[in-house]
This record gives sequence, C-alpha cells and structure tokens, in this order.
Amino acid sequence: GQNIDQPTEMTATEGAIVQINCTYQTSGFNGLFWYQQHAGEAPTFLSYNVLDGLEEKGRFSSFLSRSKGYSYLLLKELQMKDSASYLCAPMDSNYQLIWGAGTKLIIKP
Amino acid sequence: GAVVSQHPSRVICKSGTSVKIECRSLDFQATTMFWYRQFPKQSLMLMATSNEGSKATYEQGVEKDKFLINHASLTLSTLTVTSAHPEDSSFYICSASPGEPYEQYFGPGTRLTVT
Repeated sequence: GQNIDQPTEMTATEGAIVQINCTYQTSGFNGLFWYQQHAGEAPTFLSYNVLDGLEEKGRFSSFLSRSKGYSYLLLKELQMKDSASYLCAPMDSNYQLIWGAGTKLIIKP
Repeated sequence: GAVVSQHPSRVICKSGTSVKIECRSLDFQATTMFWYRQFPKQSLMLMATSNEGSKATYEQGVEKDKFLINHASLTLSTLTVTSAHPEDSSFYICSASPGEPYEQYFGPGTRLTVT
C-alpha cells in the first residue's frame, strides 16, 4: 500500500531551526513535494525533490533519500507566520500525489 | 506566476439545491486539474482528476453523478455538487498542473455549507 509518516505536531521557538521528517512508501516514485497549509486555507507549494540530496530555497530546504524513502523539510530563522501544517506529498508512478495529514508546526515567541 | 483562482470562496445553500464551483489557472495552461475535499483536521482527499476535453477520472467512492466535473478549456474546470446535502458541507479545493514535473498549484478553496 501507499502511506506517509510524519509527526502529527511539532513546537519550535521563533528564530530557531526545525526539521520536519517524512517517510513514505509509494507504488513507483516521481518525486516528492512539500506544501504549506495555514488553517482554513489551501496548500501552497514549497519545494520539489526528485533526485537525492538537498534543495535550498531561502529559509526553507528540503532533502530526499530515495533509497530510504525519506525526506525532510528544514525551516531556518523561524517566524511566527511559519505556524502552519506542512504536508509531505510523494508522487507515485501514475503522477498522483499521495497526501497524509501533515505536521502541524507551532511557533512560540 | 502559477496562480489559480477559485470562485466562490464561500457558499451557503439549501439541501437539495446544486452548487457550481469554478477553478481557473490565471497565468498558465493546465494540462490537468484536480478536485479535492478536506474535512477539518483531516488530509486532502482527491475526488477526481480531469484533463481538458476528456471525462474526469473519479476516485473510488466518489459519485460521478453527484459531483459533475467539466474541464472545458486548458484554464477552466468546474465542479457542480448536485442535490447537495448537509454531509456535503466541506472545504473544496482545486489544483492545476502545468505539466512535467507535475507540481500542483492550488486555488484558495471554497467552503461549502449545506443547510
């Protein structure tokens, strides 16, 4: 079957760094996406990894290890507005995104 | 770039009526559009996938006669919830993909309340 495993909730302090881990199992693999979703809003695209390694984009970085079925999203210099859910979404062989419940990140001052 | 609009943002309707939701890709052509439903504190649930000019592919358990999808052009898809009931109340979100690598850009969502 296909599944995604992410922590349900994480708490971090403003200005700090947090790493959100994701392990996945899919039927085939065509890359992995990270999305941010604020409460009551639709998801917004953050990053895409298809090859192993780290992709850096400003304060956000995403890492992928295909052999381990593992990815993480790294958020630096946390701001209060980063409080949101972060969704790890691998793409299967049919180019369909597989969605889990995401990780709710709470930022404290 | 990659902006997707959705209209209306909120709608309240009476049980038994139909509601149409529009999804538009504003600055790109969407080879594929997706319709999702999300209940509070739950993950996104894919309802159907549609390609321009062809019939939508519905996920298991989604009634195609109740949730009518039309993908008339490369920038517009509509979802019509027919004979709506209170259990259809949910957050409906569309997304559009411009093609490879098939990332999806989401509209702002439509909150449907059926009374």
